[in-house]
Amino acid sequence: EILLTQSPATLSLSAGERATLSCRASQSVSSYLAWYQQKPGQAPRLLIYDASNRATGIPARFSGSGSGTDFTLTISSLEPEDFAVYYCQQRRNWPNTFGQGTKLEIK
Amino acid sequence: QVQLVQSGAEVKKPGASVKVSCKASGYTFTGYYLHWVRQAPGQGLEWMGWINPNSGGTNYAQKFQGRVTMTRDTSNNTAYMELSRLRFDDTAVYYCARDPDYDTLIGYFDYWGQGTLVTVSS
Repeated sequence: EILLTQSPATLSLSAGERATLSCRASQSVSSYLAWYQQKPGQAPRLLIYDASNRATGIPARFSGSGSGTDFTLTISSLEPEDFAVYYCQQRRNWPNTFGQGTKLEIK
Repeated sequence: QVQLVQSGAEVKKPGASVKVSCKASGYTFTGYYLHWVRQAPGQGLEWMGWINPNSGGTNYAQKFQGRVTMTRDTSNNTAYMELSRLRFDDTAVYYCARDPDYDTLIGYFDYWGQGTLVTVSS
């Protein structure tokens, strides 16, 4: 089973700042990595798939990069609605696995 | 628009079974794989398995083998996830989630149900 480790666990920033979230895989997942956003009481929302492709309707301020074992989700300029928990997920091997999440909170 | 609507919250005793439904609308139900993902209170996400609504074929995470059964009713565009021999640590929100590509298993999740809270309590 592929282990995904996200860092930091919590990121405290202000609106308008740039956010950089990391996800590291225990073995190569090629580019088969997605990012999800989850707000309290809601289901996750797909943001990025295959490492760098924005899902339908996702604003351009969200971008993903990386391949192999190291991946990054960048939010270029934080909007108030972006404060949430973010998860990475790999589909390289079954079972699909998720990282433990990064909580992006308002500073 | 694509919608996945799940059944309501359940409270079960240890050792019992629970069956959660997921009714799909707004797309061709038999054309897209459906997954089940759970989330324990305050915890992360855990993939449980998938079902092919067209063939009924399934694949379960090893952790749940022998306890989980995923089925579907194509006449009602509804998928089901039954978990048996419930334990306290099965308390979680259970989500159904659609795979994004038509007739292809990708392994991402583009549309999600609202979640069903299953509480295991004596």
